[in-house]
Amino acid sequence: KQEVTQIPAALSVPEGENLVLNCSFTDSAIYNLQWFRQDPGKGLTSLLLIQSSQREQTSGRLNASLDKSSGRSTLYIAASQPGDSATYLCAVRSGNTDKLIFGTGTRLQVFP
Amino acid sequence: GAVVSQHPSRVICKSGTSVKIECRSLDFQATTMFWYRQFPKQSLMLMATSNEGSKATYEQGVEKDKFLINHASLTLSTLTVTSAHPEDSSFYICSASRQGGYQPQHFGDGTRLSIL
Repeated sequence: KQEVTQIPAALSVPEGENLVLNCSFTDSAIYNLQWFRQDPGKGLTSLLLIQSSQREQTSGRLNASLDKSSGRSTLYIAASQPGDSATYLCAVRSGNTDKLIFGTGTRLQVFP
Repeated sequence: GAVVSQHPSRVICKSGTSVKIECRSLDFQATTMFWYRQFPKQSLMLMATSNEGSKATYEQGVEKDKFLINHASLTLSTLTVTSAHPEDSSFYICSASRQGGYQPQHFGDGTRLSIL
């Protein structure tokens, strides 16, 4: 059974810092991995999607990497801003299903 | 784009009431829709997968008679929480995907359900 874990559970940093969020999964037979952002009381916004054959994806200040063999992904946020404050979720899609298995989330607070 | 609308965004009702939540794909045909439940400060847990025109597939531990799912058209799925009780209070989120292998899921904004 696929299990997805995110570390740290919560993070508070001053504005301008570069930071790394971690995601690990137990079954490396994934089709892709996706990072989402969730604002309080809201739905999910997709940030980056990495296919199993890819090593990383970049969008603006965000960079996500994937090491499938070790069951890990990282989300790197450069020059963090207060507007980045949210919960970040990673989710994996296994190779034989269209279901997403979500991680436990990292609650990020960036203060001015 | 791929817009998914969920309604209502918030509902408060008395114990014993049945509550219906709608999930609509506004600009694409969604052959598959997913319903998730999220407890405070926890992650999303998949409740069921629904395919247009067929019965929903429920995850282990989810009562299908409690959470009725209907996916009668390619743009609408509904989740009905029957005889809701305070323990059913939660944040419910739907997602929808197009036909075809491994299409991405597009998420609604969620429904906050509070049962008094």
